[in-house]
Amino acid sequence: NAGVTQTPKFRVLKTGQSMTLLCAQDMNHEYMYWYRQDPGMGLRLIHYSVGEGTTAKGEVPDGYNVSRLKKQNFLLGLESAAPSQTSVYFCASRSDSFSYNEQFFGPGTRLTVL
Amino acid sequence: AQKITQTQPGMFVQEKEAVTLDCTYDTSDPSYGLFWYKQPSSGEMIFLIYQGSYDQQNATEGRYSLNFQKARKSANLVISASQLGDSAMYFCAMREGGATNKLIFGTGTLLAVQP
Repeated sequence: NAGVTQTPKFRVLKTGQSMTLLCAQDMNHEYMYWYRQDPGMGLRLIHYSVGEGTTAKGEVPDGYNVSRLKKQNFLLGLESAAPSQTSVYFCASRSDSFSYNEQFFGPGTRLTVL
Repeated sequence: AQKITQTQPGMFVQEKEAVTLDCTYDTSDPSYGLFWYKQPSSGEMIFLIYQGSYDQQNATEGRYSLNFQKARKSANLVISASQLGDSAMYFCAMREGGATNKLIFGTGTLLAVQP
């Protein structure tokens, strides 16, 4: 099992450009999440999904959109990148079983917006 | 509002000694879960230990234990016999009650293990 994978690992954008971050998991998890990590602020939830075809806003959703067309994939889109979106982005997934509590994280994507 | 507080930005510990990383939380939900994650310099998030709000005993996982004091709303991580490889950022997180299982993270504690 690959677990949770993220594509790409690094990206540099210019202000106003768009891009999509891909998260894939092979554990058949229902729940998927996108977080951003900024220095001194821990991880903050951007958007999440509780199942295929569903999405919901988290703590810091502005400037981002998401889609969950397939159960194993969760896409995070930036339509018009801003320097404030320079961050490390983590995807996570979780089983809907009460026996498994932790979220499994991907390796992260380091995004720089110039 | 639910909140996680980690008041120690950085900690030092000598190799082979024990260290306690502090975490306090605030929630009005009777059902919640508390997690600790480790983030080494390579950047990945590694799950360490979990404590449910209704668990009667403190959680333990190898050299990691969680000192859960419900009345004080604290969930401190204790690492016994520190190793050089324990040097990393440590995050405390709380799972909200309900069906979404969202996590709220603290700001982290950077632990440095000295030889």
